[in-house]
Amino acid sequence: GQNIDQPTEMTATEGAIVQINCTYQTSGFNGLFWYQQHAGEAPTFLSYNVLDGLEEKGRFSSFLSRSKGYSYLLLKELQMKDSASYLCAVSRLNSGYALNFGKGTSLLVTP
Amino acid sequence: NAGVTQTPKFRILKIGQSMTLQCTQDMNHNYMYWYRQDPGMGLKLIYYSVGAGITDKGEVPNGYNVSRSTTEDFPLRLELAAPSQTSVYFCASSADGGFSYGYTFGSGTRLTVV
Repeated sequence: GQNIDQPTEMTATEGAIVQINCTYQTSGFNGLFWYQQHAGEAPTFLSYNVLDGLEEKGRFSSFLSRSKGYSYLLLKELQMKDSASYLCAVSRLNSGYALNFGKGTSLLVTP
Repeated sequence: NAGVTQTPKFRILKIGQSMTLQCTQDMNHNYMYWYRQDPGMGLKLIYYSVGAGITDKGEVPNGYNVSRSTTEDFPLRLELAAPSQTSVYFCASSADGGFSYGYTFGSGTRLTVV
């Protein structure tokens, strides 16, 4: 089975940096994904890590440590539009590479 | 526009009724998935398919059925609707298990069973 944990809620200030952590336990690990989901909308792809280290894409970066079962999503220069739910998901080699999601972290960006 | 199309967007069912949630993708993706999302619970995998004619159960398959007769279509069938099936349903697809471009999600179907 799998267990994916991430904080339920976070609050940060516009222009600041926020780090959202995710820990996981799984067999057949095939990669870790981060998705953004605004209320009432579908999840949208942010990043993918399969090897240890940092992946940077503009204001968003994601880090993975496979030995520790740990990832984080780093959001820089926060904007009001970044207020959303951030979903950590693990892909497994079996189950057709289906994603197993954490419960999501609701991020509120305040002025 | 290329992507994953889900219909309907909203539906209200009475207990015991049946319906099919439609999902179509035009990206020639082999892998397709159905998820349900309940408030505060994250997305749960219902069924998945790795290609036409091949389907398998996910984490929460009870009360649902699927078929995959073509690469493009992956409908989800609810036979006897129950209040516990009130949820938002998302269909997703990927070309290669998400390695290149992640998984593409449809806009969702919001289902209420009363």
